[in-house]
Amino acid sequence: AQSVTQLDSQVPVFEEAPVELRCNYSSSVSVYLFWYVQYPNQGLQLLLKYLSGSTLVESINGFEAEFNKSQTSFHLRKPSVHISDTAEYFCAVRFSGGYQKVTFGIGTKLQVIP
Amino acid sequence: DGGITQSPKYLFRKEGQNVTLSCEQNLNHDAMYWYRQDPGQGLRLIYYSQIVNDFQKGDIAEGYSVSREKKESFPLTVTSAQKNPTAFYLCASSLQGEAAETQYFGPGTRLLVL
Repeated sequence: AQSVTQLDSQVPVFEEAPVELRCNYSSSVSVYLFWYVQYPNQGLQLLLKYLSGSTLVESINGFEAEFNKSQTSFHLRKPSVHISDTAEYFCAVRFSGGYQKVTFGIGTKLQVIP
Repeated sequence: DGGITQSPKYLFRKEGQNVTLSCEQNLNHDAMYWYRQDPGQGLRLIYYSQIVNDFQKGDIAEGYSVSREKKESFPLTVTSAQKNPTAFYLCASSLQGEAAETQYFGPGTRLLVL
């Protein structure tokens, strides 16, 4: 069965500092990987996704994630965070091929400190 | 604008009462999903539907029921059999097929027990 592990439930970081949110998955087959962001009392929004090709994917607001097959990881990074990045971030995985449900991690709350 | 709407934003349930959460989408998506979100547990899949008049149980379907009579609508009923219904409920939709399509989320309904 596929599973997703987000090792950090909360990550405090000062404004303009770099941040890395960790995500590891378990799967023996090809997967698609996603990061979603949730602002307070709202639904989730897709931040970025890896389907195939380049292992480094970027979002429009400066986040990036790198697919590492050997380490089964898909960590999310940003070189300089802003107050507006304060939110909860969910890593998700889906098997490739046919319909497969998406499995979400438990989420990491990013708290940007002024 | 295309998107997913959920209503109401807040819902209060009395003991022994069934309540229905609404989810409507105008994205022309075939697939729709219901998730339950609890603090520290991420998102758990309740039910999903890949096509009109068909739906499958997710990981935590007990105490819930759904219908899919129209492509645009996927209401969720929380029955009296669900003993711990207090949570944030998220509806999502996506395109269908083998492509790893993004899930688009509604703003959520927060259910509270009186």
